[in-house]
Amino acid sequence: AQSVAQPEDQVNVAEGNPLTVKCTYSVSGNPYLFWYVQYPNRGLQFLLKYITGDNLVKGSYGFEAEFNKSQTSFHLKKPSALVSDSALYFCASQSYNTDKLIFGTGTRLQVFP
Amino acid sequence: GAVVSQHPSWVICKSGTSVKIECRSLDFQATTMFWYRQFPKQSLMLMATSNEGSKATYEQGVEKDKFLINHASLTLSTLTVTSAHPEDSSFYICSARDLVAEQGLEAFFGQGTRLTVV
Repeated sequence: AQSVAQPEDQVNVAEGNPLTVKCTYSVSGNPYLFWYVQYPNRGLQFLLKYITGDNLVKGSYGFEAEFNKSQTSFHLKKPSALVSDSALYFCASQSYNTDKLIFGTGTRLQVFP
Repeated sequence: GAVVSQHPSWVICKSGTSVKIECRSLDFQATTMFWYRQFPKQSLMLMATSNEGSKATYEQGVEKDKFLINHASLTLSTLTVTSAHPEDSSFYICSARDLVAEQGLEAFFGQGTRLTVV
């Protein structure tokens, strides 16, 4: 069965430091992978996606993610965190033969000044 | 990116009444819309998949008679919570995708509706 795991409920990082939010997936075939961000009482905003091609994907607001097939991971990264990056981040996957997105449990990122 | 508008943003209703939530794609045709429910500090739970002009496909455990979904046009899907009870209180989010378009793999989300049943 298709699944997405985000092992950290919360990640704390100081402003200016690099951040990583972890995600691993289990999908049959070649996966489509996504990162979304959610601010309080709001819907989800798309950050980036991996469909095919380069393993390093660059997205909105300076975020990037690296697809690692051998480790079945798709960790979200940013070289220098901002306080405004504090939000709830969701990793999602989609199998090539279905329309459905499967979400991880979410990771709350807290960036301290 | 494309815009999905969800209305209302929040609603309070009495037990036993019905509430309708609208989801509109403003600048693209959404061949498929999805309805999610999100509990506090939890992930999104897919409730149903709505395809224009056909019946919605409900996920296991979701009561289709309680959560009525209508996808009447390529830009509008509605979720009606019938005979609402306090346990239906939650944050409901819709998303829309244009699966015909090359960029269709990307889902665009509404801003969500917080339903409180008293």
